[in-house]
Amino acid sequence: DAGITQSPRHKVTETGTPVTLRCHQTENHRYMYWYRQDPGHGLRLIHYSYGVKDTDKGEVSDGYSVSRSKTEDFLLTLESATSSQTSVYFCAINPQGRADEQFFGPGTRLTVL
Amino acid sequence: AQRVTQPEKLLSVFKGAPVELKCNYSYSGSPELFWYVQYSRQRLQLLLRHISRESIKGFTADLNKGETSFHLKKPFAQEEDSAMYYCALMGGSSNTGKLIFGQGTTLQVKP
Repeated sequence: DAGITQSPRHKVTETGTPVTLRCHQTENHRYMYWYRQDPGHGLRLIHYSYGVKDTDKGEVSDGYSVSRSKTEDFLLTLESATSSQTSVYFCAINPQGRADEQFFGPGTRLTVL
Repeated sequence: AQRVTQPEKLLSVFKGAPVELKCNYSYSGSPELFWYVQYSRQRLQLLLRHISRESIKGFTADLNKGETSFHLKKPFAQEEDSAMYYCALMGGSSNTGKLIFGQGTTLQVKP
């Protein structure tokens, strides 16, 4: 599993509440990513990080923010959750950042009521 | 624009039948292409990548730059091949490792 964990694994929340999802890795890899998985859309990149305090936007970043204060943790925050953010969220790491394999976490299923 | 298209949401075949999961891409440059697979209750994992030109679990995929395709093939499907398959393109500056995924195809292999 490349030492990747996500927490929580399941969460139900209400519209308008803040939510933070955590991705933790044990291998000190530089590159980390957050994707969301939705039927008919596949996986879409939300944000990614190429080092501590170095982050950039992905394809669907509106309504999301991220932080990486330590190499091992990459946090995804929904400042004010909306029903359109109901999804399965996957964290991934890429040891080399080049045309290399990405390793994925187990996913977090988020439901916004 | 960089894009990956998987035209089939669901592909249903019988055990022993040939399988072809289609993937077309749009990319101005030399693409890096991958197939990822997600078995039931398991994590998404790499199946194969075009640069290694290898066969994994009997699956192969050939990059056709003229047709901008990277179809996944297997001559004889097995029940354990049932899963969700994603085609992916490494886009942008390749050293960031960002992936662009297709919509995914569910492969169902019937006994």
